[in-house]
Amino acid sequence: ETGVTQTPRHLVMGMTNKKSLKCEQHLGHNAMYWYKQSAKKPLELMFVYNFKEQTENNSVPSRFSPECPNSSHLFLHLHTLQPEDSALYLCASSQETGRTNTEAFFGQGTRLTVV
Amino acid sequence: AQSVAQPEDQVNVAEGNPLTVKCTYSVSGNPYLFWYVQYPNRGLQFLLKYITGDNLVKGSYGFEAEFNKSQTSFHLKKPSALVSDSALYFCAVRDFSGGYNKLIFGAGTRLAVHP
Repeated sequence: ETGVTQTPRHLVMGMTNKKSLKCEQHLGHNAMYWYKQSAKKPLELMFVYNFKEQTENNSVPSRFSPECPNSSHLFLHLHTLQPEDSALYLCASSQETGRTNTEAFFGQGTRLTVV
Repeated sequence: AQSVAQPEDQVNVAEGNPLTVKCTYSVSGNPYLFWYVQYPNRGLQFLLKYITGDNLVKGSYGFEAEFNKSQTSFHLKKPSALVSDSALYFCAVRDFSGGYNKLIFGAGTRLAVHP
């Protein structure tokens, strides 16, 4: 275990549903991330939260809505998704204190299938 | 912008033989480089990272990586491959642009170790 827990592990949802992905880190880190991993594509950074403030949104469609209520929890709210949004969604955390060479720790991911 | 490239989609190695998974980087300033491994249906696991001044970096599971500044490479190596090393390997570089830190990943290389 890496200290980053994601739930659920698997999710099947219809295009009109609303669901949320949850991530919790037990490492005392101050930064959390959402990545999208699609087949045969590089990992895509979706959102970055640093000290609970969102600092990057890589042109992610508004049907994905992140929430970071505190430095240990991160959510990804989903609504009106498309089949091409089916992917493995990975949460990660790291301790950021300036220009440091710190590694990120990843959760096991949520496998999302949109039908 | 910082980036890494993994030129091989797949590497095939016989068990017991040495393995190399290639990574080249493009950065402005000093590079902060990482290797991660992903087993099926799992998140990314940290293997090792480059620390300034030490060109040969040793990591988990017997892996090591050699930093080569003149060739802008950070290849992952192991002297003797195991079937259990079969997985997806990602090279990553730390990006400090925008005033916050994040990891940018390569497309990944699938390593297949045959008995």
